[in-house]
Amino acid sequence: DTGVSQDPRHKITKRGQNVTFRCDPISEHNRLYWYRQTLGQGPEFLTYFQNEAQLEKSRLLSDRFSAERPKGSFSTLEIQRTEQGDSAMYLCASSSSGRGGDTQYFGPGTRLTVL
Amino acid sequence: RKEVEQDPGPFNVPEGATVAFNCTYSNSASQSFFWYRQDCRKEPKLLMSVYSSGNEDGRFTAQLNRASQYISLLIRDSKLSDSATYLCVVNSFNKFYFGSGTKLNVKP
Repeated sequence: DTGVSQDPRHKITKRGQNVTFRCDPISEHNRLYWYRQTLGQGPEFLTYFQNEAQLEKSRLLSDRFSAERPKGSFSTLEIQRTEQGDSAMYLCASSSSGRGGDTQYFGPGTRLTVL
Repeated sequence: RKEVEQDPGPFNVPEGATVAFNCTYSNSASQSFFWYRQDCRKEPKLLMSVYSSGNEDGRFTAQLNRASQYISLLIRDSKLSDSATYLCVVNSFNKFYFGSGTKLNVKP
């Protein structure tokens, strides 16, 4: 499978715990995006990488959230001291900066439940 | 004001019907536009890009009106399998803004 993959697919945690999610983009894609989606809403932009550089961060990304893409390939999103309001689907998408490159391809998401 | 606004629906239509969805966006400098389809508890999947000249892909036709900052999607001859949420997406300087989606239910 050469699509975007995310791990884990589901995560249940207790409030106050830290969680980390991983995204593996399509291999030739240099752009990687993280989104959060709650029920009845469209995905909300969190952050965006071009290669290893984090170029944009949303105001939604509080200081409890951090994302990395150390080698310009896979990315991790960490949430520290989780709160119940963090419960959502976290989606990763990748695209290429080349011709036709603004088409994003999404992974299956990680569904986070904070108890 | 939200960057992208859509009517949430639901649109309940019989098989074979033609249905149209609309979307408006707030940033006149937005560069590219898309419709994505999202099935329940699944990830969004690209349906089609939207060009100023309008474009068609089988039963689906998308239109962009930059002057009015308005995007549309027309689905002809609806199938049961078209039931899903349709997301309007606008790219403004590599930030992608999604509408809340329009839910379509196609009934036999």
